[in-house]
Amino acid sequence: AQSVAQPEDQVNVAEGNPLTVKCTYSVSGNPYLFWYVQYPNRGLQFLLKYITGDNLVKGSYGFEAEFNKSQTSFHLKKPSALVSDSALYFCAVRDILTMEYGNKLVFGAGTILRVKS
Amino acid sequence: GAVVSQHPSRVICKSGTSVKIECRSLDFQATTMFWYRQFPKKSLMLMATSNEGSKATYEQGVEKDKFLINHASLTLSTLTVTSAHPEDSSFYICSARDPRQGGNIQYFGAGTRLSVL
Repeated sequence: AQSVAQPEDQVNVAEGNPLTVKCTYSVSGNPYLFWYVQYPNRGLQFLLKYITGDNLVKGSYGFEAEFNKSQTSFHLKKPSALVSDSALYFCAVRDILTMEYGNKLVFGAGTILRVKS
Repeated sequence: GAVVSQHPSRVICKSGTSVKIECRSLDFQATTMFWYRQFPKKSLMLMATSNEGSKATYEQGVEKDKFLINHASLTLSTLTVTSAHPEDSSFYICSARDPRQGGNIQYFGAGTRLSVL
């Protein structure tokens, strides 16, 4: 079964400091990994993805994520947080080799990021 | 990124009435669209997968007669909440998978806030 864990309900960081939002995953085959951000009363916005290739993936708004196969992690990072980064962040995984779940995207529970000035 | 349009953004209706929500992929053709429900401060719950030209695939526990899905064209899927009740009040989000991009990124609509009185 494929699953995603976001161990932190909330992450607090001061503006200008680096931020990390954690994500670990479990799949039977090889994963496609995604990060999305959701602002209040809005849909999800795509930030970045890992399909193959370089483990460090760069995305929108200065965010990046590092795929670590041995640790089955895909943590979201940003070198310098902005107050405007405050939002709800979702990690998601799709198992590309198995059809057990119909190739569906499975989401983590979400992590609230609060950046304080 | 690709654009998915969802309408209406907010709807208030009386108990017992039906509500239709539209989801359109504006710049790509989507053979597959997804409907999610999101409760406050919770992750997304996949309700059903909408397939163009065929019946939707519903997740376990989702009443197909309650939540009617029609995917009549490659750019439009609709979700109709029939005989709505207060417990159906929620945030509904649609998503469409863009086949043009590696990894088939899913893009999301802005969501519909349904309030049933």
